[in-house]
Amino acid sequence: NAGVTQTPKFQVLKTGQSMTLQCAQDMNHEYMSWYRQDPGMGLRLIHYSVGAGITDQGEVPNGYNVSRSTTEDFPLRLLSAAPSQTSVYFCASSYWTGDTGELFFGEGSRLTVL
Amino acid sequence: DQQVKQNSPSLSVQEGRISILNCDYTNSMFDYFLWYKKYPAEGPTFLISISSIKDKNEDGRFTVFLNKSAKHLSLHIVPSQPGDSAVYFCAASLSGNKLVFGAGTILRVKS
Repeated sequence: NAGVTQTPKFQVLKTGQSMTLQCAQDMNHEYMSWYRQDPGMGLRLIHYSVGAGITDQGEVPNGYNVSRSTTEDFPLRLLSAAPSQTSVYFCASSYWTGDTGELFFGEGSRLTVL
Repeated sequence: DQQVKQNSPSLSVQEGRISILNCDYTNSMFDYFLWYKKYPAEGPTFLISISSIKDKNEDGRFTVFLNKSAKHLSLHIVPSQPGDSAVYFCAASLSGNKLVFGAGTILRVKS
């Protein structure tokens, strides 16, 4: 039972380079999201999707793009990496039924931008 | 402006005693609250949740209390165990899914 799978786990980029963080889930959840974790800041929402073909911005969307062509996949693209994007990135998928729900997180992708 | 605040960056507790982690929020429209636990180099894992229509939810050693008038929730762990040492994140939701997280509290349980 894979749950949420993120790749790569580690990546080093130079300023200005672009890359894509991959995220896949096998729980058939409609909702997927990307968070970044920085010291003292908790987890901040970058982008989210409520289903295939539908995406929206979160709290800190600048510098990132997303797309959702299938229910399973939700890649996060860094268009032109900046040192401020050095962080640990977590992908999550979730269900919501009435007044209960849960986010399931991947193991994280640690990105360093030099 | 942080909508969800965990004002204690860290907490140290003796094994077997109670751990109390606190969380305050500013948006009275939040209707669902969750606690996540995170070990180093791993993703956060779900611990316990509570709907805004309740004031208490219990699951084994973990109990979450919600005080809506004070916009405050707390997580009680009794008894605390060394394996509970981790970072604990409080999160709040507006109608599901789009969670707002606090900055986290590092819990250290000493044996």
